[in-house]
Amino acid sequence: AQKVTQAQTEISVVEKEDVTLDCVYETRDTTYYLFWYKQPPSGELVFLIRRNSFDEQNEISGRYSWNFQKSTSSFNFTITASQVVDSAVYFCALREGTGGGNKLTFGTGTQLKVEL
Amino acid sequence: DAGITQSPRYKITETGRQVTLMCHQTWSHSYMFWYRQDLGHGLRLIYYSAAADITDKGEVPDGYVVSRSKTENFPLTLESATRSQTSVYFCASSESPGLGYEQYFGPGTRLTVT
Repeated sequence: AQKVTQAQTEISVVEKEDVTLDCVYETRDTTYYLFWYKQPPSGELVFLIRRNSFDEQNEISGRYSWNFQKSTSSFNFTITASQVVDSAVYFCALREGTGGGNKLTFGTGTQLKVEL
Repeated sequence: DAGITQSPRYKITETGRQVTLMCHQTWSHSYMFWYRQDLGHGLRLIYYSAAADITDKGEVPDGYVVSRSKTENFPLTLESATRSQTSVYFCASSESPGLGYEQYFGPGTRLTVT
């Protein structure tokens, strides 16, 4: 069965600090997809990134970067020079490619608080 | 406006009543999903639909009913609401998830069952 673990329940940082959110996944499939979503205090879920299991290249988008390592089953998310607007709950999610019934399995989320 | 909408955004109902949450998307995505979000559980899939008239159970389907007569609509019905169904409900849509397409979420419906 697929599973996503976000061990960090809550992280607090001071603005301009770098912060890494951890995501560890479990799956038996060789084909799978990983996602990160952001949920700001307003409550909506915002898609950030998708990664497939065949592409281990790291991704950078502005202050955001993602490190995908199949060897450790991790898909970590780093925010560089954090800002107050980054305060949100961040969810990592996994979709298996061949099984799982089209199910997107979410981790329990990491609450990030960025303070001045 | 294009996108995915949910109604109502907030609902308070009493135990035992039937409640229907509406979801509408304008992208013509084939797949639609219903999740519930509870503290400590993240988001859990209730039901999903691959196309009109095709639905399937997710992780926590008990107490819920869905239908999909039109591609753009995917209502979720609580046949006899219970306090344990107090939650935030999110609808989502996607192109073929088998190809890894991301799901896009509606704004959510906060449901309170008293």
